[in-house]
Order: sequence, then structure tokens, then C-alpha cells
Amino acid sequence: AQSVTQPDIHITVSEGASLELRCNYSYGATPYLFWYVQSPGQGLQLLLKYFSGDTLVQGIKGFEAEFKRSQSSFNLRKPSVHWSDAAEYFCAVGAYSGGYQKVTFGIGTKLQVIP
Amino acid sequence: EAQVTQNPRYLITVTGKKLTVTCSQNMNHEYMSWYRQDPGLGLRQIYYSMNVEVTDKGDVPEGYKVSRKEKRNFPLILESPSPNQTSLYFCASSFSGQPETQYFGPGTRLLVL
Repeated sequence: AQSVTQPDIHITVSEGASLELRCNYSYGATPYLFWYVQSPGQGLQLLLKYFSGDTLVQGIKGFEAEFKRSQSSFNLRKPSVHWSDAAEYFCAVGAYSGGYQKVTFGIGTKLQVIP
Repeated sequence: EAQVTQNPRYLITVTGKKLTVTCSQNMNHEYMSWYRQDPGLGLRQIYYSMNVEVTDKGDVPEGYKVSRKEKRNFPLILESPSPNQTSLYFCASSFSGQPETQYFGPGTRLLVL
């Protein structure tokens, strides 16, 4: 069974500073990896995903993530955070098993942006 | 506009009173799923459906029922709600059952007294 660990429940950064949100996964084969963002009162929106190929993935809103198989990690980064990035971020791992996709989410990291 | 809709968005009810949360998607997606989100636990899958009349349990199915009579609709039914079902519920859909982007509804916040 797959699992996802987001070790940081809450992170605070200053506007304009760089950001890295950590995600570690456990899965026996090559995983399908996702980052979703949830703004207050909203549903989840896909930021980016990794299925195969280039291990550095670009997403929306200036985010990127790097898949590192040796570290079982898929960390999310942004070079300069904007106040509108304040939200909760979820890492997820997907697997195709028994004819359907099984997606397991991490517990989320809540990002606070201070002026 | 391509979207997943849920109704109601907010619901307060009492223990034992049957309720249904509707979910509808207009993208002709085959795969639909229900999740609940609780603090410190992230999103956990309740039920999913691969297509019309095909449903199966997720990780936390106890106390819930679903049906998939039409491709676009996937209602979540709580026959006898209990306080431990107080949560934020999300419906999601994707084109197929393969791991790919899921599109989420706006969520339904349920309080069971």
C-alpha cells in the first residue's frame, strides 16, 4: 500500500521569500505524484503532476516540483512567494491497481505568508 | 464551464436523520469519488465509482452509501448520520480510472449534532 508523508503541518514565510514544501512517499513501483492546493473555502486544484520523464515538473502559479527516486521525495518549490499563495497544500501519490486509480493524500501543509 | 458541483455546501443535521449530498459533473468523466477531509488526517477516500452501476469501497466506507445511476451524478447517502461523520466532504471526478488529474467540487461542510 502506498503512503504519503508531509512532515511540516504549518509553514510561515515572508512574502518574496523562497518556499519548499516537503513530501515523501512510499510505493513499491514508479508512483504517480501530485500536488494540489486548497484555498480557504475552496476545493482542491491541481498544481502539478509527475507521471514519467523529466523529474523537474513545472506547474501553475510559478510552482515546480522535483521527483527524486533515491530519496522517495517530491518536494514543491517556488522562488518567490506571493501573499495569494497562502493556502493548504496536499501531496498525493497515485497507483493503478485492480483496474482503478488509488490516490492517497498527505495530511497537508498549511502555508502562511507574512508581509 | 467544466466543473464538479456539490449540494448543499453547508448542512447541519441531527443524529439519525437521513441525508443525501449530491455531486454532479459535466465533463463526461467515468471515474467519480467521494472523500472526507478531517484536520490532521488529510483526505480519505469513502467510495469510488468506475462507471455507471459500478461502485466500490474506499478506505472509510462505514456509515455511507453511494449510487451511480447516471454517469454525471454520484450522490453520497448517510442513512443514519452520527457525530463522527461531521466533516468536510469532497466529490471528485476524472476521465478514467487511471491515475490522473482529479477535478474536485467545492466541498460540503457537514455538522451532525
